[in-house]
Amino acid sequence: EPEVTQTPSHQVTQMGQEVILRCVPISNHLYFYWYRQILGQKVEFLVSFYNNEISEKSEIFDDQFSVERPDGSNFTLKIRSTKLEDSAMYFCASSEGNSYGYTFGSGTRLTVV
Amino acid sequence: DQQVKQNSPSLSVQEGRISILNCDYTNSMFDYFLWYKKYPAEGPTFLISISSIKDKNEDGRFTVFLNKSAKHLSLHIVPSQPGDSAVYFCAASARLQGAQKLVFGQGTRLTINP
Repeated sequence: EPEVTQTPSHQVTQMGQEVILRCVPISNHLYFYWYRQILGQKVEFLVSFYNNEISEKSEIFDDQFSVERPDGSNFTLKIRSTKLEDSAMYFCASSEGNSYGYTFGSGTRLTVV
Repeated sequence: DQQVKQNSPSLSVQEGRISILNCDYTNSMFDYFLWYKKYPAEGPTFLISISSIKDKNEDGRFTVFLNKSAKHLSLHIVPSQPGDSAVYFCAASARLQGAQKLVFGQGTRLTINP
């Protein structure tokens, strides 16, 4: 069964450093997403991406965050200057269309120290 | 801002019996609802969805019921199996408004006892 692949599974970074989380969505999917889950809290929407541009973003997704689909297969989330409160599980997801359930990756656990 | 609420953090059910997980929402713009299942160290897995034009959707052992007037939906699993033990998330979206984001509930940890 097709999967969404995320790397790395765990990333530790120092506060203030830039971090890039990588995702390979399912190949025929057109919509891409990033969500995060802070420990013990809800899964929260960050951003959706369609047709090579951001289609929707949350208040969490401020200027420190950016997304890119650099080569037609990867989908990346960059955090420019990480803060302690960015520590969370980050999930990438993709969907075939807007009305389909997403397929989520296994997540990247980001720890900012 | 708890637009989607799952008021039971945990639920324990005997194997073979019915599991009923509940979810309430407050935003009347939501028109598409989904249930996800999550095992530790994995991402959420899509289970079943329902559009606001329906009140029931069934897929094998899983049935989702939607009560729009009460802004309530539930997931029924019957019969429950040990492999169903996981955290279940309810999620909602306002697709007709063009929204792509899902708003998740806090999750309910389901434990199926042998």
